[in-house]
This record gives sequence, structure tokens and C-alpha cells, in this order.
Amino acid sequence: KNEVEQSPQNLTAQEGEFITINCSYSVGISALHWLQQHPGGGIVSLFMLSSGKKKHGRLIATINIQEKHSSLHITASHPRDSAVYICAVRAKETSGSRLTFGEGTQLTVNP
Amino acid sequence: SQTIHQWPATLVQPVGSPLSLECTVEGTSNPNLYWYRQAAGRGLQLLFYSVGIGQISSEVPQNLSASRPQDRQFILSSKKLLLSDSGFYLCAWRPGQGNYEQYFGPGTRLTVT
Repeated sequence: KNEVEQSPQNLTAQEGEFITINCSYSVGISALHWLQQHPGGGIVSLFMLSSGKKKHGRLIATINIQEKHSSLHITASHPRDSAVYICAVRAKETSGSRLTFGEGTQLTVNP
Repeated sequence: SQTIHQWPATLVQPVGSPLSLECTVEGTSNPNLYWYRQAAGRGLQLLFYSVGIGQISSEVPQNLSASRPQDRQFILSSKKLLLSDSGFYLCAWRPGQGNYEQYFGPGTRLTVT
């Protein structure tokens, strides 16, 4: 079993829909990251959080430390949101602050 | 502001040939540096990380090696490439101390033929 599990693996939505991507992890963490990878391969950091909730524009990330679960929400989705969304965690007391990654969720938003 | 560079952007190499991918970071000092690989249809896999000059930690035993000859330079090498080395290679950095985000370079797409 992977330390970081994402669901769903693939998600297709219509423009305007509300989208949720889930991430569960099995270790104690000091931080959780949500990343976005576009078709060209470049990766952008969307959020880093260790508790509660963060919001940037139409994107919202939440985390429940007790349940070891995080969600990424996209409101009013748009075709330009189509990308792979990756959850990654930094385990407590990990050397080098290295991250463990989920397999990613491929999101396609159709016009 | 800080920037991270990787080159080349794409590379096609025959099996058995050597490899050298370079990553440099500007605008910061003493960063943690990372090399990741993403095989086709797979998630990101950490290959190496470094917390300082000459300090390299390997996560996965394989025919790749890494070096950090300068504070902001991280090099990924191989003496003889395998077909299985094909993939997308990403370099990343973060500030050495504290709870910070990790910033990724543009990546190198390597095809071993």
C-alpha cells in the first residue's frame, strides 16, 4: 500500500462543475502539498498546508490531520484547469525534507 | 527572486551512452536540492537529494548518480543508460530550514533508444 493514495485516478467534468480530489496518507506528517502538472510536464506548487484550509482564487485545499486526509476543491471549473493534480506529504522527522507523492489525478474539464 | 534552471529540455540518447543533466538555482543559498523521475504514466519518484555541497543521499539504487559540486548546482549522471531510464526528470529546490514549499524546474524529457 502506498503511503499516499489519491482518488479518483481520472476525473472528467463539464465546465462550471465543482470538483473534489481526495488524498489519504498513512504516516504522521509535517506538511502536505498539492501540486499541478500541466501536459508539458512543468509542476507548479498550489498549496502547502499543515492544518485547516487554504484558498487561492477558485482553488480550496483542506486537511484533517486526525483523519490523515486532504481534499482539493475547484469551484466553477474551466478547461484550463485540465491537468494532473498531485498530493505529496513530508513525513515528520524525515531527513532532507523530502516528499512522498501520490500517483496523481488526471482532471479533464470539457467546455 | 529565485529561479531554477534545467537543461537540456529534451534528450534522445542510445542505450549504453552516458548522461549528464544539470540543474542550477539562482537567488538563494544553501538550498536543499532534489532529483525526481517520472516514468510514463507513473508518479514522481525521488532519486537523490542533497542538503549541502558534496552531500548526496540516494533513495533508489540504480545506475544513476548525482553530484553537487557547487552550492546551487546539482548534476544527475549515468555512465551507461538503460532503456528503463527513459522518463521525465525534474529538479527541485527548497530553503534548507523551516516549513517551506518545494519549487520545481521545467524538467528534462529523456528518451533512451
